[in-house]
Amino acid sequence: SQTIHQWPATLVQPVGSPLSLECTVEGTSNPNLYWYRQAAGRGLQLLFYSVGIGQISSEVPQNLSASRPQDRQFILSSKKLLLSDSGFYLCAWSRTSGKDTQYFGPGTRLTVL
Amino acid sequence: SQQGEEDPQALSIQEGENATMNCSYKTSINNLQWYRQNSGRGLVHLILIRSNEREKHSGRLRVTLDTSKKSSSLLITASRAADTASYFCATDDTSAGTYKYIFGTGTRLKVLA
Repeated sequence: SQTIHQWPATLVQPVGSPLSLECTVEGTSNPNLYWYRQAAGRGLQLLFYSVGIGQISSEVPQNLSASRPQDRQFILSSKKLLLSDSGFYLCAWSRTSGKDTQYFGPGTRLTVL
Repeated sequence: SQQGEEDPQALSIQEGENATMNCSYKTSINNLQWYRQNSGRGLVHLILIRSNEREKHSGRLRVTLDTSKKSSSLLITASRAADTASYFCATDDTSAGTYKYIFGTGTRLKVLA
């Protein structure tokens, strides 16, 4: 069966510090991968998605970047965090066809102080 | 861009009652999905309904889709305290070559024991 992992679960970082959030998927090959951000009590905002290694599509201009160094690994990064980067970050995967169910990881709660 | 918008934003009911949530969207879709999110957790897929379907059931869940009105509803029958969560609809982006879903802002359901 497929599983998706995210770490860390929670993170508190000062403004201006770098960020690296990791997401890995097990039990499937060539998944589509997604990064979302959720502000408190709000819906999900799609940040990035990837249909293959090294292929990243950015949805919202921002302070963040994403990379996919391996088939089942998706990394969200920032060189210098802003206060507005605080939120709940969710990674998800779907099958290659794309237009189907998305499976979400447990999320990372990021607080920038 | 299209966006699913849930209505109501918040709903509080007694255990055993039925809960109905609605979702409206703006453009053509291939399918629409409903997800559930417990506080501070990832999203869990509940049900997917395709654009050529009008109604779908899964256990105590019933989803309807009216493509002419660009709306969907999620009915939870005989609600339980454990159904307390936020519920989101997600619509796919029918643009060629994209693999994106647009999530609404969610309905926060509280079931009182």
